[in-house]
Amino acid sequence: AQSVTQLGSHVSVSEGALVLLRCNYSSSVPPYLFWYVQYPNQGLQLLLKYTSAATLVKGINGFEAEFKKSETSFHLTKPSAHMSDAAEYFCAVSALRSGTYKYIFGTGTRLKVLA
Amino acid sequence: NAGVTQTPKFQVLKTGQSMTLQCAQDMNHNSMYWYRQDPGMGLRLIYYSASEGTTDKGEVPNGYNVSRLNKREFSLRLESAAPSQTSVYFCASSGDRGQSGELFFGEGSRLTVL
Repeated sequence: AQSVTQLGSHVSVSEGALVLLRCNYSSSVPPYLFWYVQYPNQGLQLLLKYTSAATLVKGINGFEAEFKKSETSFHLTKPSAHMSDAAEYFCAVSALRSGTYKYIFGTGTRLKVLA
Repeated sequence: NAGVTQTPKFQVLKTGQSMTLQCAQDMNHNSMYWYRQDPGMGLRLIYYSASEGTTDKGEVPNGYNVSRLNKREFSLRLESAAPSQTSVYFCASSGDRGQSGELFFGEGSRLTVL
């Protein structure tokens, strides 16, 4: 069975500091992995996705994530945090179940950016 | 350029009342999904539809029914609302039967059951 674990439900960083949000997955087959961002009172929007083309994936707003099969990880990073990055971030894996791909989401990490 | 549209955005119900959440997408997507979001629990799949005319249960289907009216529309019905169904509900769609494709989300429907 596939699953996703996000370490840390809340992360605080200073403006300009490195952002690191952790995601580990389990999957019996090569997974498709995603990071979504949710701003207050809005739906989720895609930050980036891994679909086996390249292990380092660049997304919107300066975020990137690296797929590490040996560590079963897909951590999200950004070199320099901005106040506008404050949001909730969800890692997700696309899993094949009963012949149809469905998405399994982590429980989310709320990022706070301190001035 | 609407994407995924959900109505209503807010609703307050009394225990035992019924209601339907409506969802429509204008991206010609095959797959549509209903999720609920609760604090600390991420998003949990209620029902999904891989194509017009088909629906299947997700992780938490109890207390809900769905209808895939046509390719554009996928509605979620609560027949007898319970306080445990207080949540934020999201509709989403995906273009290639969910296979590695991006999920497009609506803005959510916030439901409170008293």
